[in-house]
Amino acid sequence: DQQVKQNSPSLSVQEGRISILNCDYTNSMFDYFLWYKKYPAEGPTFLISISSIKDKNEDGRFTVFLNKSAKHLSLHIVPSQPGDSAVYFCAATNDYKLSFGAGTTVTVRA
Amino acid sequence: DTAVSQTPKYLVTQMGNDKSIKCEQNLGHDTMYWYKQDSKKFLKIMFSYNNKELIINETVPNRFSPKSPDKAHLNLHINSLELGDSAVYFCASSQEGVAGTGELFFGEGSRLTVL
Repeated sequence: DQQVKQNSPSLSVQEGRISILNCDYTNSMFDYFLWYKKYPAEGPTFLISISSIKDKNEDGRFTVFLNKSAKHLSLHIVPSQPGDSAVYFCAATNDYKLSFGAGTTVTVRA
Repeated sequence: DTAVSQTPKYLVTQMGNDKSIKCEQNLGHDTMYWYKQDSKKFLKIMFSYNNKELIINETVPNRFSPKSPDKAHLNLHINSLELGDSAVYFCASSQEGVAGTGELFFGEGSRLTVL
């Protein structure tokens, strides 16, 4: 029973444009949300996070939005760069364990 | 200078064999984990150790046995390997467990193929 879902397995975007990645969760007890980025043959690396008491967190080109009532979060990458091509995992925790989505593969076209 | 390193990176073996994957972290973290990424690409937690003590043990067959000789090492031993064990296994560490930040540092993964 997957509690974190990323319904779009892939996303293709032109360099310089915005990438929007979506994530839905079912467990209302989750109180901290994260995005991880993964390149081929490497482990995931932490990208950005947001606490449930906030609705937005920004770090450079990356912004995460949280809509608790909809149990939805999104990651915006502006502007998208070729080095952003990777798999992005959404994750959530409730102080016990980290639950991951299946990932969205982002391809940034030149 | 790799923060979380796991060996081997690739492992091909026959059904029924026993194999181990080793993990070491040099970050001084207190908590270590094993995650399994299956064919559907989900990352699922298997085990978590805090200061050599098992704190998370998900529904994993008894054939999987983690061992933590010290807080910098967490090894995974798998007995009687089955076809369904084929996956990429990721080791990870964090300073205080997922409570608070949830930030994990992952190794590069060990791809296990069972024939």
